[in-house]
Amino acid sequence: QVQLVESGGGLVKPGGSLRLSCAASGFTFSDYYMSWIRQAPGKGLEWVSYISSGDTTIYYADSVKGRFTISRDNAKNSLYLQMNSLRAEDTAVYYCARGRFTSGVWGQGTTVTVSS
Amino acid sequence: QSALTQPASVSGSPGQSITISCTGTSSDVGGYKYVSWYQQHPGKAPKLMIYEVSNRPSGVPDRFSGSKSGNTASLTISGLQAEDEADYYCSSYTSSSTRVFGGGTKVTVL
Repeated sequence: QVQLVESGGGLVKPGGSLRLSCAASGFTFSDYYMSWIRQAPGKGLEWVSYISSGDTTIYYADSVKGRFTISRDNAKNSLYLQMNSLRAEDTAVYYCARGRFTSGVWGQGTTVTVSS
Repeated sequence: QSALTQPASVSGSPGQSITISCTGTSSDVGGYKYVSWYQQHPGKAPKLMIYEVSNRPSGVPDRFSGSKSGNTASLTISGLQAEDEADYYCSSYTSSSTRVFGGGTKVTVL
């Protein structure tokens, strides 16, 4: 079945780095745009970034631009989010989702906590 | 990019119909057909309920419907059921080639 599984979350100090991964299965990963969407504790959804199927088109939310980098490896059916210069306000559950305009498939999320 | 505006909460009795609004601008909701709606139960990942303003994915009950007028999109749940109690989020593509979500609406079934 179609599935997305995130990993790599954890506790990191302000200013630190973390790399999230998302493993895709059950569909042709290389055919789809992929996105990262996050949700701070008790808050709403916030779009973070998306990447085209051939990684030629990439966009970021202003809140993460210059600090986060999205990438993908179609040979490994995997999506990544490199997060640098982390701030307390980056604390959230990070979801990997399929699609650019619409997110039809979501992972279960991985939790990132930025705290000293 | 400012979040789309949704009411914080909406409630209704079983069997009733409710409508959740999602207000943006001509640079997002009003300018594109790429408005989608998501349902999220506590502790769970969001689930796509409506895409491209009014289309239902396979498996979503036809009690859920979407529409748009100008800069405001709407999600209507007809024949409200207990399992519809959840948070609902709208999303739109924007003129900056980004996406934006609404603040979310908590639906309570009385």
